[in-house]
Amino acid sequence: GAVVSQHPSWVICKSGTSVKIECRSLDFQATTMFWYRQFPKQSLMLMATSNEGSKATYEQGVEKDKFLINHASLTLSTLTVTSAHPEDSSFYICSARSGIYDTEAFFGQGTRLTVV
Amino acid sequence: GQNIDQPTEMTATEGAIVQINCTYQTSGFNGLFWYQQHAGEAPTFLSYNVLDGLEEKGRFSSFLSRSKGYSYLLLKELQMKDSASYLCAAIDSNYQLIWGAGTKLIIKP
Repeated sequence: GAVVSQHPSWVICKSGTSVKIECRSLDFQATTMFWYRQFPKQSLMLMATSNEGSKATYEQGVEKDKFLINHASLTLSTLTVTSAHPEDSSFYICSARSGIYDTEAFFGQGTRLTVV
Repeated sequence: GQNIDQPTEMTATEGAIVQINCTYQTSGFNGLFWYQQHAGEAPTFLSYNVLDGLEEKGRFSSFLSRSKGYSYLLLKELQMKDSASYLCAAIDSNYQLIWGAGTKLIIKP
């Protein structure tokens, strides 16, 4: 299957600082990327969908000014958690599809964010 | 609304067979995935069904009944490494993935 690389795997940051997470599709062009958050013992919660070259579509309840998503190229999407707080500590996962009608989604390795 | 239901937790014995059920209610349907997720890791793809019936892949099989809105994942010859969460996800008419909460499978020796 296709490879999606997510970086960093884990990060610890101080409250009030910003953290950027990168998601790259290594061997295919990802027209659509998805950002998920997963709290312990819970399922994936979709935060936003981004299409290359356009603004991300955020799910209800997700603050777009706090979780900045940029999908500037067909192989890279970034999620920036701005002014992070301890309640933002979570596992963030990206996934990518080469097209909206593609059925399989390929996942990055995930990023464990801890805000202290 | 759209909804995916699967059991929260199941326990099985090494070497045995276990069936994890999933029922779904979505606006339209374009297939159903099963993913395996070990603690602290991203999900990995197991299967995709869009037509009724059973698809077998080694020790894992997945079944779909579109008329019943029902799927199951069957794991045979269980191994300790199969201890993980198993996520069911359906694709709706907009090709969005609707995720279940996952079933934590505990394998005992």
